[in-house]
Amino acid sequence: GDSVTQMEGPVTLSEEAFLTINCTYTATGYPSLFWYVQYPGEGLQLLLKATKADDKGSNKGFEATYRKETTSFHLEKGSVQVSDSAVYFCALNRDDKIIFGKGTRLHILP
Amino acid sequence: GAGVSQSPSNKVTEKGKDVELRCDPISGHTALYWYRQSLGQGLEFLIYFQGNSAPDKSGLPSDRFSAERTGGSVSTLTIQRTQQEDSAVYLCASSLGGGRETQYFGPGTRLLVL
Repeated sequence: GDSVTQMEGPVTLSEEAFLTINCTYTATGYPSLFWYVQYPGEGLQLLLKATKADDKGSNKGFEATYRKETTSFHLEKGSVQVSDSAVYFCALNRDDKIIFGKGTRLHILP
Repeated sequence: GAGVSQSPSNKVTEKGKDVELRCDPISGHTALYWYRQSLGQGLEFLIYFQGNSAPDKSGLPSDRFSAERTGGSVSTLTIQRTQQEDSAVYLCASSLGGGRETQYFGPGTRLLVL
């Protein structure tokens, strides 16, 4: 069945460091891909999405590109801030339901 | 406008009791989803309502779980004879039209079964 695999955390970085969180997926067809973020004490929020191959989603300085050839959707940010500390979930949407990865907890140190 | 709301925000119950969790979707959203977030299983799909179609119940873990959506708006997730393994955060989401439309999540109900 469809699945999403993302790097396990926690990931700890210093402020202004470069961030990559790897995500790969297994799916038949062409799902939409998402990154959701869950800040401490808050609900899930959509961070960015891409609906077809080679699309790049971006928001708040984060980017991810839908790579069909490598079935990947890695999340990147050039310079992280303390306020980016959260749990990040990679996900795909196929047949109306979202399938999530297990989440990666990110800690940014000042 | 208002987002997805859920109530209660926290619920503590005793093993064997029934609980009801409520979700108010974003106005005008025809699709409504329930998910469960637990330590051991991550985020799991439970059930999906779209308009007047029969719901997709494929994610419900047992027949103790049921959900209904009245009038195409508010939804209630019911767990009968709760077990300790039901302890989790139950998330509701809604979207404009199902399919690949973006799903917007509520803050969740944290359920603790003692």
